Amino acid sequence: QKEVEQNSGPLSVPEGAIASLNCTYSDRGSQSFFWYRQYSGKSPELIMFIYSNGDKEDGRFTAQLNKASQYVSLLIRDSQPSDSATYLCAVSTGGYQKVTFGIGTKLQVIP
Amino acid sequence: EADIYQTPRYLVIGTGKKITLECSQTMGHDKMYWYQQDPGMELHLIHYSYGVNSTEKGDLSSESTVSRIRTEHFPLTLESARPSHTSQYLCASRNQGTAFFGQGTRLTVV
Repeated sequence: QKEVEQNSGPLSVPEGAIASLNCTYSDRGSQSFFWYRQYSGKSPELIMFIYSNGDKEDGRFTAQLNKASQYVSLLIRDSQPSDSATYLCAVSTGGYQKVTFGIGTKLQVIP
Repeated sequence: EADIYQTPRYLVIGTGKKITLECSQTMGHDKMYWYQQDPGMELHLIHYSYGVNSTEKGDLSSESTVSRIRTEHFPLTLESARPSHTSQYLCASRNQGTAFFGQGTRLTVV
């Protein structure tokens, strides 16, 4: 079992809709969870991070954690074509030293 | 904007050569990471360090080595480059919070 699992997509949503991205993780002791956006040919850039104590909202983005089911979600409201990218879920594991990434979900926002 | 720098940005080198990819950060972060990523593929952790003189191998054995003599510097060395090493190499650093990435080194071994 992979430490962090994501559906590679692509996930297609119309402009203005809510995009919902999910990932599951295997280490029940994980404490930090991250969402990165990566455009083709570019380095990942951080969108959101949450600790194990709660959800977080930042503008159009909301990150939610379900510890019991061991999954993390990212909601993007009012999706824009510029949101089209690969979204990487990352989890801090191994005594919080390692940061392990999922394969990423490719999001396509259709104008 | 994160202060983490990688050099060179692009490198084309012949098989068998020894190369060192540089990564430096000015944020005083203890933890640093090297990832390998092929186009359109997932990030694979190659090495990481949680402080000076501490390094660990990641999930992907890439026949590379790292050193951490100074907090701000985390170079990656390939003793003998092979075409299978052709990839994008990304360096990242963090403290307790988020990891910030450098712009990457795109390596081509011919």
